[in-house]
Amino acid sequence: GEDVEQSLFLSVREGDSSVINCTYTDSSSTYLYWYKQEPGAGLQLLTYIFSNMDMKQDQRLTVLLNKKDKHLSLRIADTQTGDSAIYFCAGPSGGYNKLIFGAGTRLAVHP
Amino acid sequence: DAGVIQSPRHEVTEMGQEVTLRCKPISGHDYLFWYRQTMMRGLELLIYFNNNVPIDDSGMPEDRFSAKMPNASFSTLKIQPSEPRDSAVYFCASSLQGANEAFFGQGTRLTVV
Repeated sequence: GEDVEQSLFLSVREGDSSVINCTYTDSSSTYLYWYKQEPGAGLQLLTYIFSNMDMKQDQRLTVLLNKKDKHLSLRIADTQTGDSAIYFCAGPSGGYNKLIFGAGTRLAVHP
Repeated sequence: DAGVIQSPRHEVTEMGQEVTLRCKPISGHDYLFWYRQTMMRGLELLIYFNNNVPIDDSGMPEDRFSAKMPNASFSTLKIQPSEPRDSAVYFCASSLQGANEAFFGQGTRLTVV
């Protein structure tokens, strides 16, 4: 079946870049999404990329998509303590009109 | 629009009691999703509706769980009887189209003691 996988934890120093990786199985995905969940809150859409793109940049965020390897990554430049959160990648499940989420990567930013 | 609204924000109940979680989706959104989030299992899709009709309830863990959407602006997730292992954060989300951007509510933190 469809699956989205992420590493569970990432720790970085403030000011460094963070790279969160995700792999997916559904090759028919049109849009792929990154959501952010801050403590005690719901998920909020952070950014997205259309499947015909290889890269999308939005201020400190860069999304890279490797369709051949079905690999999606989110790079956060100049990571700040306010970026500490759980980051989820998500994509449509093939044949079903719903989003599948990865387990989430907990990003911890330390001084 | 105020976004997706869930109530209550927190619920503490005793094992065996009935629990009802409520959700008001964003007006005009045709899709409504119920998710459960735990440390062990991450974010799980329980059920989703399209135009008030349940489409996929394969994620509902047991018959103790039921969900309804009597109209376009209201949905409930009911657990009867509740058990300690049901303790989790339950999220409701809505979207214009099923596989497009989903907007999440703040969640209901359920604790069953």
